[in-house]
Amino acid sequence: GQQVMQIPQYQHVQEGEDFTTYCNSSTTLSNIQWYKQRPGGHPVFLIQLVKSGEVKKQKRLTFQFGEAKKNSSLHITATQTTDVGTYFCAVLSNDYKLSFGAGTTVTVRA
Amino acid sequence: DGGITQSPKYLFRKEGQNVTLSCEQNLNHDAMYWYRQDPGQGLRLIYYSQIVNDFQKGDIAEGYSVSREKKESFPLTVTSAQKNPTAFYLCASSIAATGPDGELFFGEGSRLTVL
Repeated sequence: GQQVMQIPQYQHVQEGEDFTTYCNSSTTLSNIQWYKQRPGGHPVFLIQLVKSGEVKKQKRLTFQFGEAKKNSSLHITATQTTDVGTYFCAVLSNDYKLSFGAGTTVTVRA
Repeated sequence: DGGITQSPKYLFRKEGQNVTLSCEQNLNHDAMYWYRQDPGQGLRLIYYSQIVNDFQKGDIAEGYSVSREKKESFPLTVTSAQKNPTAFYLCASSIAATGPDGELFFGEGSRLTVL
């Protein structure tokens, strides 16, 4: 399937601080999706980006799609304990398979 | 209440036994998927189906089988040929396999442990 690299694998954040997780591909992507999985739960869709350079915001979360459509980022400001979980990016291949990155697991220090 | 129902939530089996995991959706979605998740890893695609009576292998199909006889149902059989079947299995569906409606809705998962 389509290969996407997510970095970092783990992110330990002090409550109130900001952090960014990245998703990188060696090929041009048609679109990219982001999901969040809480500990013990199942992935939940957050957003889909389609256009080059697209930026979308959901409260404290900012999603960006690179100009070349080869990378994407998720930036969280003023981290809260509710942000704990694993964030995955997912990309669609030409044969309609949705492939997921390995995820960034976020823990928060109160 | 619309959604995806996976059963059982937890399953224990002896090595060498086939196991079938159920996935039912009442969202009227065309596409359905099976993913496997191992601790600390991402989701790996096992099989997917875009329409009834049709399905395709994903990245790790060996040792698994599926059927799609009805739009709402996509059961996964973990066969004895699967060398390391202990994992968390997630079923998902989407309105369509591509395009702006391609977001996946996941079930709560089935955790299989082979003893």
